[in-house]
Amino acid sequence: AQSVAQPEDQVNVAEGNPLTVKCTYSVSGNPYLFWYVQYPNRGLQFLLKYITGDNLVKGSYGFEAEFNKSQTSFHLKKPSALVSDSALYFCAVRRIYNQGGKLIFGQGTELSVKP
Amino acid sequence: GAVVSQHPSRVICKSGTSVKIECRSLDFQATTMFWYRQFPKQSLMLMATSNEGSKATYEQGVEKDKFLINHASLTLSTLTVTSAHPEDSSFYICSARVATGGNEQYFGPGTRLTVT
Repeated sequence: AQSVAQPEDQVNVAEGNPLTVKCTYSVSGNPYLFWYVQYPNRGLQFLLKYITGDNLVKGSYGFEAEFNKSQTSFHLKKPSALVSDSALYFCAVRRIYNQGGKLIFGQGTELSVKP
Repeated sequence: GAVVSQHPSRVICKSGTSVKIECRSLDFQATTMFWYRQFPKQSLMLMATSNEGSKATYEQGVEKDKFLINHASLTLSTLTVTSAHPEDSSFYICSARVATGGNEQYFGPGTRLTVT
């Protein structure tokens, strides 16, 4: 069965410091991996995705994520956090050959960036 | 970029009534739309997958007679919560997958349903 784990419910970072939001996955076969951000009472906004190719993926708002097949991880990173990055972050996975497109989401990590 | 809208953004209804939520893809065609439910500070729970012109596929544990889904066109899917009860109060989010086979889903802004 497919699953996604975000081991941290909350991550606290000082503004200007680097941030990491962790994600590990379990899926049979090769995965498509995604990161989404959600602001309060809003839908999800797409940040970035890994399909194939370079393991380091760059996305919106200065975020990037590194696909590590051996560790089955896809951690989200940003070199310098902003207060406006404070939000709820979701990692998601989909099997490459899942033509139905169903995404499996992690439980979410609340990022709090303090000035 | 691809935009998905939902209407209404917020609705309050009385117990026993039905509520319809619309999900529209504004600038692309979506053969597949998804309906999720989200409780406060929790993950999204997939309720059903909606394919244009066919019956929706519901996830295990989701009552199809209570949550009616219609995907009448390539740009519109609707979720009707029938005979709503307070426990149906939640944040409902739809997403749409482009008809050309793109891999990401575009999410609507969500609808906050409160049943009194």
